[in-house]
Amino acid sequence: QKEVEQDPGPLSVPEGAIVSLNCTYSNSAFQYFMWYRQYSRKGPELLMYTYSSGNKEDGRFTAQVDKSSKYISLFIRDSQPSDSATYLCAFSQSSYKLIFGSGTRLLVRP
Amino acid sequence: GAVVSQHPSWVICKSGTSVKIECRSLDFQATTMFWYRQFPKQSLMLMATSNEGSKATYEQGVEKDKFLINHASLTLSTLTVTSAHPEDSSFYICSASTDRYEQYFGPGTRLTVT
Repeated sequence: QKEVEQDPGPLSVPEGAIVSLNCTYSNSAFQYFMWYRQYSRKGPELLMYTYSSGNKEDGRFTAQVDKSSKYISLFIRDSQPSDSATYLCAFSQSSYKLIFGSGTRLLVRP
Repeated sequence: GAVVSQHPSWVICKSGTSVKIECRSLDFQATTMFWYRQFPKQSLMLMATSNEGSKATYEQGVEKDKFLINHASLTLSTLTVTSAHPEDSSFYICSASTDRYEQYFGPGTRLTVT
């Protein structure tokens, strides 16, 4: 079993749709949960960062963590064409090392 | 704030030569810098972690004699790919951190070895 599972997509939605991106993980020692956005041929950009179960909201983005199910989600409201990118989930224990998912490609159609 | 730059953004080199990639934190001092490698349509894989003035810590399977990392200051780390081969062609990304969990990524360097 992989440590992190993430559907590669691509996920294609119309502009204005609500997008749901998900990752599952197997390592119960993960304490920190992150979502990064990566545009083509660019470095990842940190979107959301949380360390507890529950929801965290930042503008159009909501991160959700369910430690009991080992499942995290990122919701994007009112999606825009500029949101088209690859979204990477990332996890960390009490160390520097980040474990990344393989990324989900999102395409928001105008 | 928290801007990280990389240079060059793209480099082509011949097999057998060495290539140096620079990573700089522009507006903050980074206690730790990280080097990742990303193959097309794959995720980032951590290669090594470096602290200023210390030897880098390499991940399992990464050849430390092939990928030389120098962290000369709190704002600069370099990755040198020695005796490059076509299989080393990849996207190399650095990140910098002031604490353990938030990492700020550079824009990446695309290396093509011919």
